[in-house]
Amino acid sequence: GQQVMQIPQYQHVQEGEDFTTYCNSSTTLSNIQWYKQRPGGHPVFLIQLVKSGEVKKQKRLTFQFGEAKKNSSLHITATQTTDVGTYFCAGPRTDSWGKLQFGAGTQVVVTP
Amino acid sequence: KAGVTQTPRYLIKTRGQQVTLSCSPISGHRSVSWYQQTPGQGLQFLFEYFSETQRNKGNFPGRFSGRQFSNSRSEMNVSTLELGDSALYLCASSPQGTDYNSPLHFGNGTRLTVT
Repeated sequence: GQQVMQIPQYQHVQEGEDFTTYCNSSTTLSNIQWYKQRPGGHPVFLIQLVKSGEVKKQKRLTFQFGEAKKNSSLHITATQTTDVGTYFCAGPRTDSWGKLQFGAGTQVVVTP
Repeated sequence: KAGVTQTPRYLIKTRGQQVTLSCSPISGHRSVSWYQQTPGQGLQFLFEYFSETQRNKGNFPGRFSGRQFSNSRSEMNVSTLELGDSALYLCASSPQGTDYNSPLHFGNGTRLTVT
């Protein structure tokens, strides 16, 4: 079945450093969405990418959609403690079982 | 605009009991989806309702059911609770169920513990 995989599963980052998390789909996606879940919180929508090769920026966050629309990445520059949380990517399912297929998430821990 | 409201926030039940969770979507949103979140399995889709009709269902046993009312509010029911049902249950709404470009707006979730 359709799978959305995220790597790494865990990311320990020193405050001020950059890092990238990756999302790979087993099928071509019409769009990909990114969500952030703070510890003890709920997923919050960050951004949606639709076009092949699309790049979008939100302050220190840069999101990219692959040319083949099967992968995406999230790059965070100058990591801050406010970036702590789990980042999920999600893409529309190709079967009838629901709206979005979520990846397992990348849990980000920031060390001051 | 008020966000997605889920009640109750926390629930403790014993095995064999049943439970009903409630979700009020953002005003004007007609699609409500339910997800189960556990540390080991991540976010797993339960079902989606749109205009009082279940449009999609995930791979969960029949003990999990739901419904949606004419005001788009939704309830989820789990019967004969098992220990493995302990999880965070998240409700999410979106404006149009058929619009796959609409992001999901999640509620704070209901933390269910089965003992």
